[in-house]
Amino acid sequence: GAVVSQHPSWVICKSGTSVKIECRSLDFQATTMFWYRQFPKQSLMLMATSNEGSKATYEQGVEKDKFLINHASLTLSTLTVTSAHPEDSSFYICSARKGQLGGELFFGEGSRLTVL
Amino acid sequence: LAKTTQPISMDSYEGQEVNITCSHNNIATNDYITWYQQFPSQGPRFIIQGYKTKVTNEVASLFIPADRKSSTLSLPRVSLSDTAVYYCLVAGSGGSYIPTFGRGTSLIVHP
Repeated sequence: GAVVSQHPSWVICKSGTSVKIECRSLDFQATTMFWYRQFPKQSLMLMATSNEGSKATYEQGVEKDKFLINHASLTLSTLTVTSAHPEDSSFYICSARKGQLGGELFFGEGSRLTVL
Repeated sequence: LAKTTQPISMDSYEGQEVNITCSHNNIATNDYITWYQQFPSQGPRFIIQGYKTKVTNEVASLFIPADRKSSTLSLPRVSLSDTAVYYCLVAGSGGSYIPTFGRGTSLIVHP
């Protein structure tokens, strides 16, 4: 199957700093990628839809200035958590959609963010 | 936007068949049904996808009735390694694709 890779897999940062997480589709082009966050024992919460070459579409309640998304190429989307605080600590997962019909999603391994 | 409902948890034993049902009463004509498996601290992994009737692959079967308002994931002869959270995702094709997950079903397989 298709491969989606995230980096870093885990990161620890100090409060107030910014952290960038990369999501790459390794063997297919993805015009659309999705970013999720997941708290312990909870489901994946869709944060935003990342569109190549245009602005991301954020879900209700997600601060676009807090979570900056850039989708500069067909294989790379980045999520930057700006001025991170402890409440931003979470598991962030990206996914990329291969093809249009049926819309099978391929997920990255996830990135564990811990803000001290 | 189709909303899904699944049992929160299920228990089974090694070697048994497990059936997990997902309700999606508001499924749209262009929606597909996809099931994912997730282990702790990992991204979800694709299991199976279908539109109607029955689909089978090497790891699971997916049963979808004619009205498509529900679907059942069938895992034959589960093992301890099948302990995970299972999500059904209902989302459409084309520009209306918004992959929103429900709560999922936590399956625990006992020895």
